[in-house]
Amino acid sequence: QVQLQESGPGLVKPSETLSLTCTVSGYSISSGYYWGWIRQPPGKGLEWIGSIYHSGSTYYNPSLKSRVTISVDTSKNQFSLKLSSVTAADTAVYYCARPVAAAGFDPWGQGTLVTVSS
Amino acid sequence: EIVMTQSPATLSVSPGERATLSCRASQSVSSNLAWYQQKPGQAPRLLIYGASTRATGIPARFSGSGSGTEFTLTISSLQSEDFAVYYCQQYNNWPSFGQGTKVEIK
Repeated sequence: QVQLQESGPGLVKPSETLSLTCTVSGYSISSGYYWGWIRQPPGKGLEWIGSIYHSGSTYYNPSLKSRVTISVDTSKNQFSLKLSSVTAADTAVYYCARPVAAAGFDPWGQGTLVTVSS
Repeated sequence: EIVMTQSPATLSVSPGERATLSCRASQSVSSNLAWYQQKPGQAPRLLIYGASTRATGIPARFSGSGSGTEFTLTISSLQSEDFAVYYCQQYNNWPSFGQGTKVEIK
């Protein structure tokens, strides 16, 4: 059974870089699939941030592309998100999830709340 | 960008009744559409993919239909555990989600 778990700081200062890691268990990232990040501001809807293939190829939400970097570390079975120059508008629960071809995102991590505040 | 619009924003339904949720895409997404259920404090759960295929372990009372730009999620007989927020999501292009429909107890 594939499981995902997000980790990282819960508080980031404005203008700094948000960094999160997703650890995958029950499946080897190097075996395939894309892996992705999605966020949800408090009380609002879901926004896809970007996805990465196990080989390292990426695609990002155009609205965030200039600030986003997603990377993968197959040796640790992890993938990571960096979002630069954050503002209060980036405060959200950040989820990692596996996008399955022609089948949506499944499974999801439990999510981690990141607050941007000084 | 493909914009997904869900209606209604809130649906008040009595337990045992049928719920019908709509999702419209700003351009055709073929059958590349998924539905999710989200309960407070939890991650979304995949219900339907390919517009009409139930994900593993999803009860038969959940059904999806539609193609192109118009999609429907039907819950045939609402159970207490079904009161939640439901999102549609297209994956024909880079992924985008609808704003959600909250199904509440009437």
